[in-house]
Amino acid sequence: AQKVTQAQTEISVVEKEDVTLDCVYETRDTTYYLFWYKQPPSGELVFLIRRNSFDEQNEISGRYSWNFQKSTSSFNFTITASQVVDSAVYFCALSEAGSSASKIIFGSGTRLSIRP
Amino acid sequence: NAGVTQTPKFRILKIGQSMTLQCAQDMNHNYMYWYRQDPGMGLKLIYYSVGAGITDKGEVPNGYNVSRSTTEDFPLRLELAAPSQTSVYFCASTNRGGTRASPNYGYTFGSGTRLTVV
Repeated sequence: AQKVTQAQTEISVVEKEDVTLDCVYETRDTTYYLFWYKQPPSGELVFLIRRNSFDEQNEISGRYSWNFQKSTSSFNFTITASQVVDSAVYFCALSEAGSSASKIIFGSGTRLSIRP
Repeated sequence: NAGVTQTPKFRILKIGQSMTLQCAQDMNHNYMYWYRQDPGMGLKLIYYSVGAGITDKGEVPNGYNVSRSTTEDFPLRLELAAPSQTSVYFCASTNRGGTRASPNYGYTFGSGTRLTVV
């Protein structure tokens, strides 16, 4: 069965600090997709990134970077030089390619607060 | 291209009342899903559908029903509302493969319906 664990319930840092959000996943499928979503106070889900299980290359997008390690079943998200606008709940999610329904399963989320 | 449209955005129900949450997508996606998000929690899958006429239960289906008579629409029905169903409900869809043109690169989420049962 697929499972996503975000052990950090809440994180609070001062603006301009770097912060890493952890995500550990479980799956029996050899092909799967990992996602990160941002949920700002307004409530909508904002897509940040999708990674395929066969592509372990790390990715950087501006101040955001993602570290995917199959050996530890982790897909961590780092924000460099954090800003107040980064304050939100962040969800890691998993979808198994072998699933006939392509269900996407979410972790419980990490609430990130950036203090000015 | 509207993506996934959910209506209503907000609703207050009394215990025992019924209502239908509407979800429509215009991307010709076969796969559609309903999630609920309780305060301070992640999203849990209620029901899903892999195509018109096909639906199946997710992790938390009790108290809900769905139908999928068309590819576009996937309504969620609450028959006897209970306070435990107070939540934010999200509908999502995917074409399974996803495209770079899709804003969620595979999964498109609606903006949510905030439901309060009192």
